[in-house]
Amino acid sequence: GIQVEQSPPDLILQEGANSTLRCNFSDSVNNLQWFHQNPWGQLINLFYIPSGTKQNGRLSATTVATERYSLLYISSSQTTDSGVYFCAGDTHGSGNTGKLIFGQGTTLQVKP
Amino acid sequence: DTGVSQNPRHKITKRGQNVTFRCDPISEHNRLYWYRQTLGQGPEFLTYFQNEAQLEKSRLLSDRFSAERPKGSFSTLEIQRTEQGDSAMYLCASSILQETQYFGPGTRLLVL
Repeated sequence: GIQVEQSPPDLILQEGANSTLRCNFSDSVNNLQWFHQNPWGQLINLFYIPSGTKQNGRLSATTVATERYSLLYISSSQTTDSGVYFCAGDTHGSGNTGKLIFGQGTTLQVKP
Repeated sequence: DTGVSQNPRHKITKRGQNVTFRCDPISEHNRLYWYRQTLGQGPEFLTYFQNEAQLEKSRLLSDRFSAERPKGSFSTLEIQRTEQGDSAMYLCASSILQETQYFGPGTRLLVL
């Protein structure tokens, strides 16, 4: 199966700073999504972004499907952005099962 | 927008007991997925349904695990003869076909 590598594994920011999180896939993927997992374990959808660029407030994401990576940008970070960020996708050619393969996550801590 | 709900939110059981978890998906969603997440890891796919049909099961899902989705609405995940290694967060997600998956709050299982 595909391998999903996220970097960095851990990130500490001062409130107001910007950051970029990266997700690399070992093979082509469909249905790429970014999630934020809050301290209570809830996975919250950030983006469904199989290709291209999307923006939602202070967050934006870019997926370059041909090069098998995706980036999540966080601008003007806030303490509420703290948590674990996951990217996930399903294997291209899987018949669009939607079976998501997750990375190990990036743990973000934003300090006031 | 009621979202995906899961019950119970927490379950503590003794080794060897059976447990059952319930997931209520977003009403118009035809796909329902179960994932398992252990501490420090990303979620791992267990199984999924399209309407009432169970279309795929992971090799992670031993014969002690069974899932159903009668009438294509809510789903149950049962674990028989629980083991300490079953302790994890069990996550349910729903979607319209392979598009954006929306996750429930999870059921945290502790096997003593």
